[in-house]
Amino acid sequence: DIQLTQSPSFLSASVGDRVTITCRASQGISSYLAWYQQKPGKAPKLLIYDASTLQSGVPSRFSGSGSGTEFTLTIRSLQPEDFATYYCQRLNSSPLFGGGTKVEIK
Amino acid sequence: EVQLVESGGGLVRPGGSLRLACAASGITVSDNYMNWVRQAPGKGLEWVSVLYGDGRTFYAVSVKGSFTISRDNSRNILYLQMNNLGTEDTGVYYCARRPRADSNHMDVWGKGTTVTVSS
Repeated sequence: DIQLTQSPSFLSASVGDRVTITCRASQGISSYLAWYQQKPGKAPKLLIYDASTLQSGVPSRFSGSGSGTEFTLTIRSLQPEDFATYYCQRLNSSPLFGGGTKVEIK
Repeated sequence: EVQLVESGGGLVRPGGSLRLACAASGITVSDNYMNWVRQAPGKGLEWVSVLYGDGRTFYAVSVKGSFTISRDNSRNILYLQMNNLGTEDTGVYYCARRPRADSNHMDVWGKGTTVTVSS
């Protein structure tokens, strides 16, 4: 079975920082990867799909890249509302989420 | 506006049953690939089940044989029947839409309903 490993699991950053989160797949998954943001007590929100396509309405400071087994989510200039937990996801008949990366204020 | 609203959560004893519902507006449940995703307290997201537009169903290994996903086309509602519940089934349950057969993401999520399995 394919595994998705996110790193780091936790990061501390300041407003204005550039933040990069990595998601590694145990096998190649082409570009079939999505990224979600989740704030406490709220549902996940789709940010990026197909590895690099920005979901409508998501700020352009968010970007995704990668294919095959290594993917990254980058937040160009961290804003106060970006402190949250981020998940990667591979979707097929048996969808799988990464373990999550919690981004906290330094 | 597309909206998914879950209901049916609550407190249930181990071994008990619950049926969750996800009422959709702005979309037709039978035209989409509808998922249930859950989140145990303080933990990450776990996919539970999907119901395809053509009626095919898939389940996570952890719930196969205990949970059943279904829909009521006339009422535009997605269901999750959960039987033989254990404490490990405690969490928030979300319904979420995968918009097309060739899409690889879930673009619309409900706010979730909380299930607590405890004696």
